[in-house]
Amino acid sequence: SQELEQSPQSLIVQEGKNLTINCTSSKTLYGLYWYKQKYGEGLIFLMMLQKGGEEKSHEKITAKLDEKKQQSSLHITASQPSHAGIYLCGAETDKLIFGTGTRLQVFP
Amino acid sequence: NAGVTQTPKFQVLKTGQSMTLQCAQDMNHEYMSWYRQDPGMGLRLIHYSVGAGITDQGEVPNGYNVSRSTTEDFPLRLLSAAPSQTSVYFCASSYSIARPSYNEQFFGPGTRLTVL
Repeated sequence: SQELEQSPQSLIVQEGKNLTINCTSSKTLYGLYWYKQKYGEGLIFLMMLQKGGEEKSHEKITAKLDEKKQQSSLHITASQPSHAGIYLCGAETDKLIFGTGTRLQVFP
Repeated sequence: NAGVTQTPKFQVLKTGQSMTLQCAQDMNHEYMSWYRQDPGMGLRLIHYSVGAGITDQGEVPNGYNVSRSTTEDFPLRLLSAAPSQTSVYFCASSYSIARPSYNEQFFGPGTRLTVL
């Protein structure tokens, strides 16, 4: 069974709009990672969260880990076509696992 | 540093053939792993290793073997290829999986495998 659930599975937004991607675990997370994958390419590390309530930002992307450390959200402000790709959350439970991914498309 | 390298980038096999996907890292990382990525399934862990001589199964280990004779290399062997193994395979490494972890996983560029 999938221990990490991502939602939504796909997202199509107009350029300039804000969006949020969620990652929920059935177990307590010891480390939560966000990666981005451009179509047909490898994974690019975005950020890692460890502490409950932690929030990190990089350019227009902000990720939070909730206090109970079982859910994380990735928020993109004023989306651009360069944000398009697949966003994956990864987590440490007793091993490193990944969610199913969220496919983001941004149209002009 | 070259980071994580994978060979080949593309491969086409016939059903029943065997082959080895190569993965190497030059960062002295303890933890290495293999994932497969299929549409709508995200990344699924095949096998992983927490150090030389130590390997363990992930979510989808059937049909694959691994070994870790050195810190640097972590090859993935397909014993008898099946069409269900058509996928993109990623190798990854990180310094350690010990908790608390401060480790970013570094990914290779992937191997696109098609089994006919």
